[in-house]
Amino acid sequence: AQSVTQLGSHVSVSEGALVLLRCNYSSSVPPYLFWYVQYPNQGLQLLLKYTTGATLVKGINGFEAEFKKSETSFHLTKPSAHMSDAAEYFCAVLAAGSGTYKYIFGTGTRLKVLA
Amino acid sequence: SQTIHQWPATLVQPVGSPLSLECTVEGTSNPNLYWYRQAAGRGLQLLFYSVGIGQISSEVPQNLSASRPQDRQFILSSKKLLLSDSGFYLCACDGGSTQYFGPGTRLTVL
Repeated sequence: AQSVTQLGSHVSVSEGALVLLRCNYSSSVPPYLFWYVQYPNQGLQLLLKYTTGATLVKGINGFEAEFKKSETSFHLTKPSAHMSDAAEYFCAVLAAGSGTYKYIFGTGTRLKVLA
Repeated sequence: SQTIHQWPATLVQPVGSPLSLECTVEGTSNPNLYWYRQAAGRGLQLLFYSVGIGQISSEVPQNLSASRPQDRQFILSSKKLLLSDSGFYLCACDGGSTQYFGPGTRLTVL
């Protein structure tokens, strides 16, 4: 069975500092991995995804994530935080089965950016 | 690309009242559709998914139900709301091994 663990339900960084949001997964098959961002009272927006190929994935808004199979990790990073990055971030893994796809989501990390 | 509409955006209902939330999808045909709930301070909980008209799979036993009367329409219902049904309800659809989400409905049960 697939599972996702996001370490740290709340992360605070200063504006301009590195953003690192951690995600570890468990999967019995090669995973598809995703990061989503959610702003207050809005739906989830896809930041980036890994399916196959290059393990370093670049997404929108300057974010990137690296798939590390040996560490079963897919951490999200951004070199320099902006105030507009304050939001909740969800990591997800795709679990295939029953002719449809069931996405397993982490519990989320709320990012606070300090001026 | 697909666009997902949800309404209403916000809803306040008394305990014991019925519920109907609607989700419609544009820009794709025969999508897999999903209903999720976010309770305050918690992650996403998958409630239902559907692979076609009239085909509903329930993930969590509860007093909610779902229906898919048309290819791109997904409805979440309840006959009698509970306080614990409060939350943020998200509709999603599949596209190219990726889920796309609607804007959500904020439900408050008083």
